[in-house]
Amino acid sequence: GNSVTQMEGPVTLSEEAFLTINCTYTATGYPSLFWYVQYPGEGLQLLLKATKADDKGSNKGFEATYRKETTSFHLEKGSVQVSDSAVYFCASIGGYQKVTFGTGTKLQVIP
Amino acid sequence: GAGVSQSPRYKVAKRGQDVALRCDPISGHVSLFWYQQALGQGPEFLTYFQNEAQLDKSGLPSDRFFAERPEGSVSTLKIQRTQQEDSAVYLCASSLISGAHQRDTQYFGPGTRLTVL
Repeated sequence: GNSVTQMEGPVTLSEEAFLTINCTYTATGYPSLFWYVQYPGEGLQLLLKATKADDKGSNKGFEATYRKETTSFHLEKGSVQVSDSAVYFCASIGGYQKVTFGTGTKLQVIP
Repeated sequence: GAGVSQSPRYKVAKRGQDVALRCDPISGHVSLFWYQQALGQGPEFLTYFQNEAQLDKSGLPSDRFFAERPEGSVSTLKIQRTQQEDSAVYLCASSLISGAHQRDTQYFGPGTRLTVL
């Protein structure tokens, strides 16, 4: 079955620092890949997605590129803000849309 | 437009009680999913509906868990004789497209936080 592994948190960064959250996947076939974000007290929100190899998903300054050769989908942002503090989940969809999530990485950005 | 809504947002139950959690998907969405998210973990798949048909219930942890979507829209997740290990956030998601080889974005509701005492 599919699985997703992402770096453990928490990750603490100063405002305007560069962010990378690593994510790798295993899957049969070619899954679609997603990053979801969960702000404190809120539900899961889709941040970005990529549906095939070499696609780059981007939103709100965040980017992730679907790398088939390394089975990775690392999340990056050039300059984080305090408002980016949240838990980030890497996820894959294969087959009939069953989503497999990573365990989540908590990001804390300090002023 | 309105997103996925869930009710109640919070539920406290005594061990042994039955609970029912409701999900209202986005109007017109064919697929509906339930997930269980334990504290500090990622969501885990429970079950999947395509319209009113429950196509996969492999993630339901025991026969105390039951889900239905009788008219292909609103869904209810029922947990009988709740146990402390059932304490978690229960998330509902819906997506527009159905089909084995089409992968559409799932939109999540805010979840119901269940606490079993």
